[in-house]
Amino acid sequence: NAGVTQTPKFQVLKTGQSMTLQCAQDMNHNSMYWYRQDPGMGLRLIYYSASEGTTDKGEVPNGYNVSRLNKREFSLRLESAAPSQTSVYFCASSEVPGANSPLHFGNGTRLTVT
Amino acid sequence: GENVEQHPSTLSVQEGDSAVIKCTYSDSASNYFPWYKQELGKGPQLIIDIRSNVGEKKDQRIAVTLNKTAKHFSLHITETQPEDSAVYFCAASTSTGNQFYFGTGTSLTVIP
Repeated sequence: NAGVTQTPKFQVLKTGQSMTLQCAQDMNHNSMYWYRQDPGMGLRLIYYSASEGTTDKGEVPNGYNVSRLNKREFSLRLESAAPSQTSVYFCASSEVPGANSPLHFGNGTRLTVT
Repeated sequence: GENVEQHPSTLSVQEGDSAVIKCTYSDSASNYFPWYKQELGKGPQLIIDIRSNVGEKKDQRIAVTLNKTAKHFSLHITETQPEDSAVYFCAASTSTGNQFYFGTGTSLTVIP
């Protein structure tokens, strides 16, 4: 049982380059999330998808786009990477949105933008 | 929106001692409070959670307490072991919201 799988694990980009972070879950969860983790700032929500076919902005959406490709997959795209986007990115899923079920996290993508 | 504060940011204890991590929240509508443990190089994993209709919950060496009036909740780890060393995050959410709000984390070190 893989849970939440993220690819790649590590990535280095130059300023202005673009890339897509991939996330897939095999738990048949309805909701999926993208967080970024920075030292001393905890986990901050970038975008989420409460159910297949919907996406909404979180706390820090600027510079990012998302696609809920199907129930299993939720990708995060950086169109023009900036050094401020250097971070560890976590994808998570939950059976239903909000407080009704806990989050299950992937192991993260460590992104460095030079 | 919700604001979750977590203290302390770092905590060192001797093996066998207890560890306590505290969080406060601002939104009185929050009613679900999970705790996550994050080991190096991995994603956070749920270790225990509590809902607002309960004041305390225990799972072996781990317990969580909730004081709704004061808007704070705490994680208690007893008889700590070296494998408890990790970063712990608290979070809060409402039943009608789609978001979890996280504290800034506590790095716990258990000294053998």
